[in-house]
Amino acid sequence: QVQLVESGGGVVQPGGSLRLSCAASGLTFSYYGMHWVRQAPGKGLEWVAYIRSDGSNKDYADSLKGRITISRDNSKNTLYVQMNSLRAEDTAVYYCVTDLRYLFEYWGQGTLVTVSS
Amino acid sequence: QSALTQPASVSGSPGQSITISCTGTSSDVGGYNYVSWYQQHPGKAPKLMIYEVSNRPSGVSNRFSGSKSGDTASLTISGLLAEDEADYYCSSYTSSSTRVFGTGTKVTVL
Repeated sequence: QVQLVESGGGVVQPGGSLRLSCAASGLTFSYYGMHWVRQAPGKGLEWVAYIRSDGSNKDYADSLKGRITISRDNSKNTLYVQMNSLRAEDTAVYYCVTDLRYLFEYWGQGTLVTVSS
Repeated sequence: QSALTQPASVSGSPGQSITISCTGTSSDVGGYNYVSWYQQHPGKAPKLMIYEVSNRPSGVSNRFSGSKSGDTASLTISGLLAEDEADYYCSSYTSSSTRVFGTGTKVTVL
């Protein structure tokens, strides 16, 4: 079965950086576009970023553009997001999600990022 | 990239039908048939319930159905069950090649 396992979350100070990873198994990773979606505590879902299956195209939410970079390594079946200049409002659970046809199909369980001094 | 508008809450009694609306613009919901719906129980990851406006993935109950008219999409849950109590989110592809979620709707089974 499809498994997406996020890692790399934790507590980081305002202005700090963090790299999240998502290890995929049970699917042909290189066929899928991939997203990061986040959810602040008690709040709704927010789309963060997308990368095409071959990594040739990337899109970002305006609220994060310039501070994040999405990337992937298809040889390792792994998705990444590098987040810089983190703010308190970036505190959220970050999910990695597959996309084959403009939908969020398979979701990981998420990793919590807390930005606090 | 403004969030799509959903009612904050909808409730119904067991066996009843409820409908959740999702209003966007011609740049997202109204412009594409790439509207999808997600169910999220507390502490869990969201689950895909409807894709491309009205298609159900394998394993999703046929009590869930979707539709769209203009800039507004809708999710209908018929024969409401206690297990349907959850948060529901719509999502759409946008003209900027990004994605946008709805504000979310809490469904309560009375």
